[in-house]
Formats: sequence, C-alpha cells, structure tokens
Amino acid sequence: QVQLQESGPGLVKPSETLSLTCTVSGGSISSYYWSWIRQSPGKGLEWIGYIYYSGNTNYNPSLKSRVTISVDTSKNQFSLKLNSVTAADTAVYYCGVGYSYGQFDYWGQGTLVTVSS
Amino acid sequence: EIVLTQSPANLSLSPGERATLSCRASQSVSSYLAWYQQKPGQAPRLLIYDSSNRATGIPARFSGSGSGTDFTLTISSLEPEDFAVYYCQQRSNWPTFGGGTKVEIK
Repeated sequence: QVQLQESGPGLVKPSETLSLTCTVSGGSISSYYWSWIRQSPGKGLEWIGYIYYSGNTNYNPSLKSRVTISVDTSKNQFSLKLNSVTAADTAVYYCGVGYSYGQFDYWGQGTLVTVSS
Repeated sequence: EIVLTQSPANLSLSPGERATLSCRASQSVSSYLAWYQQKPGQAPRLLIYDSSNRATGIPARFSGSGSGTDFTLTISSLEPEDFAVYYCQQRSNWPTFGGGTKVEIK
C-alpha cells in the first residue's frame, strides 16, 4: 500500500510562498494522479490541484493563478507552491493519490501551515 | 463549481443502529461521487467511490447508492469505530466536497 508524507515549513509570512513536498513510499510515482488538498475550519475540504505522473496538471480555478504543482520522479516526490499567501491560506494541507482523476484513494497524515507575520 | 449539500449536519445514533446520510449535488455528477470518513486528527479515508463501489478494505456494512444529483451512504449497523465525520465528494467536474455529516453517539 502506498504511503505519503508531507513536509515543509509550518509557518509562512503573508505575501510569501508556501512550499510543501510529498514523499511517496511503497509504490512508484510513475502512475496515477497526485493531488494536494487542504482543510480549514472556514472552507472545509478544498482540492488544490493534481499532477499526473506524465507531468500534466490541473488546478482549482479559484487558486489557479497562484498554484504550481511539480513532480520529481527520481526522488518519488511531488511538490506544491502557493504564492502570495494570506491568512485565508492557513489550513491543514494533505497530499493524496488517486487511481482515477479526481479520486483520492490514499492520503498523507497532513501538515498544518499557518500564515502569519 | 458543483456544490454538494450534505444532510443532516449531525446525526445522533446508538451502536447497532442504521445510519443514512444524504448528499445532493447542484447539478448532475453522473455516478462520480465518493464518500470519505474522517476521525479527529486524521486524514479522510476513502470508503466508497463512483457512488457504490467499496474501497479496498472497507467493511460490507458501508454501502453507497444514487446517481445524478441524489446520493446516499448507508451504514447498516453502527460499530463504535464508525462515529466520525463523513464527506461526499464529486469528480464530474473539478473536485469539490460537501460540508460533512457528523455521526455521533446518542
């Protein structure tokens, strides 16, 4: 069974860039859909975007202008960059994998990112 | 954006009882509807995908049904570990989630 683990800073300043990495173990990243999802008390669960192993991406239209998801197959990792963050971006960020588009079969444990000066 | 509305927001039941959770979509999502369970401090766990297919390792007491705009998750007989929050999620368009139903012990 594939396992995912998020890593990155837990505190980001307003207007800066949030950067997270998801490390995949127990399976190859060279298949399937690799997603980022976040959860905040105010907005609930929100899909941020995904990258297919081939490098194709698809983003939530409401975040598209600020998001970049990339993959490093040599390290079995994929990453999230969200720029120009505000307090509204404070959330628990999850990485996940789906065997079909838009499905989230397995999730990482999540990492809390707080946006504050 | 496809909006998913879950009802009820809270459901108080006793172990052994049957739970019926609803999810309504603002437009048809065909059968592209999934259900997740989330316990405090944990990530959501996939229970049901494409309306009625149980994910790997999910007990048979969990079942899903529906198509178009109206969907149901049924837990036939609640076990103590089933008290949690349940979310529906569609993938007909870009993915969106419902607001959740909390199943709590009566």
